[in-house]
Amino acid sequence: DAGVTQSPTHLIKTRGQQVTLRCSPKSGHDTVSWYQQALGQGPQFIFQYYEEEERQRGNFPDRFSGHQFPNYSSELNVNALLLGDSALYLCASGSGVRGLNTEAFFGQGTRLTVV
Amino acid sequence: AQSVTQLGSHVSVSEGALVLLRCNYSSSVPPYLFWYVQYPNQGLQLLLKYTSAATLVKGINGFEAEFKKSETSFHLTKPSAHMSDAAEYFCAVRAAGNKLTFGGGTRVLVKP
Repeated sequence: DAGVTQSPTHLIKTRGQQVTLRCSPKSGHDTVSWYQQALGQGPQFIFQYYEEEERQRGNFPDRFSGHQFPNYSSELNVNALLLGDSALYLCASGSGVRGLNTEAFFGQGTRLTVV
Repeated sequence: AQSVTQLGSHVSVSEGALVLLRCNYSSSVPPYLFWYVQYPNQGLQLLLKYTSAATLVKGINGFEAEFKKSETSFHLTKPSAHMSDAAEYFCAVRAAGNKLTFGGGTRVLVKP
């Protein structure tokens, strides 16, 4: 059983560019959440997708957007990249928006470096 | 709104000694609490979770945590540290939906 898979694993972009990160949830999961983990900090919630809609959003600007596909996979898009967007981006999958008894399973993350 | 505070960004223990990582939370609703471990250049792996059943929760790799509502704490312990326990540990709280709020993390160094 494949867990949560993210691609690519590493990425280098230039300021002002746009980036797309991808995530496939664990088999049987239908909810995908994205987190940003800056160096030396805990992960920060960006947003959550369920039934192809954004259900919750953290304190991130509109430059951060996402999408969920019918097969439950998801993309995170970041426009107009800033140096401060350099971080490890983690995808987590779960079951349902009110699946309070299921823990989130995390992928290995995508390391984004903005230069 | 919920928040998590982890006391001590770095902890150094000797191999075989007790590991104690502290976590205090605030939540406006009964919380679900988690401890995750992160090894270098990897994602997060769940160690254990509290979901309002037993207050003493046992997890993987010999770790356990005790939920104390009166102290709003969920400290993580392991009786005997192993070299493989060197990693960063995150406490997290979940209230509404599946959004997790994480603490700042505690990096554990294990000395031989």
